[in-house]
Amino acid sequence: DAKTTQPPSMDCAEGRAANLPCNHSTISGNEYVYWYRQIHSQGPQYIIHGLKNNETNEMASLIITEDRKSSTLILPHATLRDTAVYYCIVRDFQGAQKLVFGQGTRLTINP
Amino acid sequence: GAVVSQHPSRVICKSGTSVKIECRSLDFQATTMFWYRQFPKKSLMLMATSNEGSKATYEQGVEKDKFLINHASLTLSTLTVTSAHPEDSSFYICSARDTSGAQETQYFGPGTRLLVL
Repeated sequence: DAKTTQPPSMDCAEGRAANLPCNHSTISGNEYVYWYRQIHSQGPQYIIHGLKNNETNEMASLIITEDRKSSTLILPHATLRDTAVYYCIVRDFQGAQKLVFGQGTRLTINP
Repeated sequence: GAVVSQHPSRVICKSGTSVKIECRSLDFQATTMFWYRQFPKKSLMLMATSNEGSKATYEQGVEKDKFLINHASLTLSTLTVTSAHPEDSSFYICSARDTSGAQETQYFGPGTRLLVL
């Protein structure tokens, strides 16, 4: 699976939009981009995933660049409970099906 | 989203004993489950892929005789840490593939914290 690169940490003010970038320059055509987050001492929580179109659900929006080499997860109105480590993962939908976690971005929402 | 449970949530055991951790998919059937472990301030490390009705597939460097995996039904996978030692103390997390929807998603359990004394 393609490797992803994320900033190790970010800060965002409560109520503002949090934009988390992810680079996946070696992504191939049949690989999806997945986002999970892990709040301290809990299991990862699924957020969103996409292939090439932008996606939105009740938690977040996923913006994928046209060349698919990078993406941005957007939390539109961050709250203190959004403080977590966010993982961007690229996975082949037809392959081994496993999710391989990188180091993620530690997002801190400040009051 | 779908729910995956783990039991126990935390366990303390003596060195040399075996510990079994259960992972259940509560509202969907999962032919494939995954086991991860996580050390403090580190990312999740995939240990093995658990396949219902067949042998698990272990990642490189993970001892299959040390970490026994059984996936006997479509809703249950178990991980047994045999002859546990203090270095096995970790946070063990399972995930399950939900293929019932339009697009497949993996959901994670809440984790099991193991402390070996």
